[in-house]
Amino acid sequence: AQSVTQLGSHVSVSEGALVLLRCNYSSSVPPYLFWYVQYPNQGLQLLLKYTTGATLVKGINGFEAEFKKSETSFHLTKPSAHRSDAAEYFCAALPYNQGGKLIFGQGTELSVKP
Amino acid sequence: DARVTQTPRHKVTEMGQEVTMRCQPILGHNTVFWYRQTMMQGLELLAYFRNRAPLDDSGMPKDRFSAEMPDATLATLKIQPSEPRDSAVYFCASGPGQGENIQYFGAGTRLSVL
Repeated sequence: AQSVTQLGSHVSVSEGALVLLRCNYSSSVPPYLFWYVQYPNQGLQLLLKYTTGATLVKGINGFEAEFKKSETSFHLTKPSAHRSDAAEYFCAALPYNQGGKLIFGQGTELSVKP
Repeated sequence: DARVTQTPRHKVTEMGQEVTMRCQPILGHNTVFWYRQTMMQGLELLAYFRNRAPLDDSGMPKDRFSAEMPDATLATLKIQPSEPRDSAVYFCASGPGQGENIQYFGAGTRLSVL
């Protein structure tokens, strides 16, 4: 079965520091890939997506992610963390043969220290 | 501003009572997903509809849970009878059903079963 793995259930960074959230997928055929963000007491919101084409994709709030087929990775980065970035982040994959069902990682909670 | 609407936002009930959660998908979307989120299990897919027909409900406890789409603008998730272990946040998401099939999430229903 295909899976999505997020390394680190909790990441803490200082305000202004680089944010790096790791995501790896298991699939011989690269799926569509997504990052969602969940703020407290809210639903999931799409941050960015990779389907085809450029492997570096930009999303909202200054986030970007790079698809690396050779590493089966789709890590999320932001050059400078802001306090408002504190949230839970989910990586998800949409395999071609799953009828539209997303496969989610376990989530990574990002804390931003002042 | 198209969005997925879930009602109620919060529900507190006693064990044994019936609970009904409602979801209005984004107009024009033909796929609807129900998820459950808990601290222990994370985000779990309960059921998935395409064109109002259930495609996959393997993640749903069959004895007490039921999901339906009476029409294209309403999806319901019922629990009867409810149990304390059903306490969780239940999310509905909808998608266009083609291409990237990006899922758009509602704000969730926070259920507490006492």
